[in-house]
Amino acid sequence: GAVVSQHPSWVICKSGTSVKIECRSLDFQATTMFWYRQFPKQSLMLMATSNEGSKATYEQGVEKDKFLINHASLTLSTLTVTSAHPEDSSFYICSAPGTGRLNTEAFFGQGTRLTVV
Amino acid sequence: AQTVTQSQPEMSVQEAETVTLSCTYDTSESDYYLFWYKQPPSRQMILVIRQEAYKQQNATENRFSVNFQKAAKSFSLKISDSQLGDAAMYFCALKTSYDKVIFGPGTSLSVIP
Repeated sequence: GAVVSQHPSWVICKSGTSVKIECRSLDFQATTMFWYRQFPKQSLMLMATSNEGSKATYEQGVEKDKFLINHASLTLSTLTVTSAHPEDSSFYICSAPGTGRLNTEAFFGQGTRLTVV
Repeated sequence: AQTVTQSQPEMSVQEAETVTLSCTYDTSESDYYLFWYKQPPSRQMILVIRQEAYKQQNATENRFSVNFQKAAKSFSLKISDSQLGDAAMYFCALKTSYDKVIFGPGTSLSVIP
């Protein structure tokens, strides 16, 4: 149990366009999900906390108007990169805390490689 | 604020030997969890081992064990009988009561045949 699925695995978009990344908890409900960004050879940097039924909480330095987060249901959070630019190219990973006996763990999606050209 | 530090950007180990990866952390919370995650080239995050802060006993998971020194805020990972498949990035991570997981900068582990 506790599977998080992220889609798409990779995406290429043109500069100035928007791209949406989905994060789903497949077999459990997640009132909270987290979005991370990872540049090559670097660590995962927390971007924001997605909250079901309320606004996302962004980490310092993350532009909330560029990275729109919507937690539409207890199993789905989306990250939309708006007006993407080449510097937004990165690896984006979502995670959700487990529930029940798994509530001390975090479960991660497969990640999305975004390339902006 | 919570921070996680890994002072070894790169490490290498001979196959079948033992290697220890270092990690220190800082948090003002009394209830927290520590993790070591492995990230292979596929970039999927794989949980290696977990330690609850309230437990004094060091966690062990097959060839992986930790040395948890709570007072020193140290959490090192020991990999015994290293295998080629252990080669990956290893991240030390801290999870507090708010469920956020904060990662260290990572250690790239190479295993030499």
